[in-house]
Amino acid sequence: DVKVTQSSRYLVKRTGEKVFLECVQDMDHENMFWYRQDPGLGLRLIYFSYDVKMKEKGDIPEGYSVSREKKERFSLILESASTNQTSMYLCASSVTGINQPQHFGDGTRLSIL
Amino acid sequence: DQQVKQNSPSLSVQEGRISILNCDYTNSMFDYFLWYKKYPAEGPTFLISISSIKDKNEDGRFTVFLNKSAKHLSLHIVPSQPGDSAVYFCASRKKSSGDKLTFGTGTRLAVRP
Repeated sequence: DVKVTQSSRYLVKRTGEKVFLECVQDMDHENMFWYRQDPGLGLRLIYFSYDVKMKEKGDIPEGYSVSREKKERFSLILESASTNQTSMYLCASSVTGINQPQHFGDGTRLSIL
Repeated sequence: DQQVKQNSPSLSVQEGRISILNCDYTNSMFDYFLWYKKYPAEGPTFLISISSIKDKNEDGRFTVFLNKSAKHLSLHIVPSQPGDSAVYFCASRKKSSGDKLTFGTGTRLAVRP
């Protein structure tokens, strides 16, 4: 079974702080993704990566950056946290191939005070 | 611009009956469609998928139907069980976008005992 692990289930930070969310997958997947989930808005893609050191913007990249130094790890960075970044953050990974699903971690509930 | 729409935010069904969850999309370039199930405080789990070359895919109690001319897909759960109570997200992928998915806003299914 694919295992996608997010380092924290719950996190509380203050406005203006730099916040790191970590994600690790154990299946040697090429592709990794960061989403946020908000009520009534579904899952929205923030950033994704198809390979080490590669990154591409998703639909809502403003205020975020990412880092992928190793294949198994994909980090999401909030450069200067703001209250509108309070959300559930979900990491996913997938193998490149025809019709392969993404596999998700359990999420990090982030609150910015 | 919401390219994948789930117009029913919630659905309530009696145990043993059929649950039908609907999803509409606007982009004719989508070629792969997925359904995910999400329990509170957990990440989405992949349920079932369908390629655009098919119009039906079945897996146990779950069947996904695709109507390309109407740009509509649906998930049927028969018979519904209380453990099926969750939020269901449909997602779509364009071949040209690699493994990037576009998600709907979700439908909360409640199965009454």
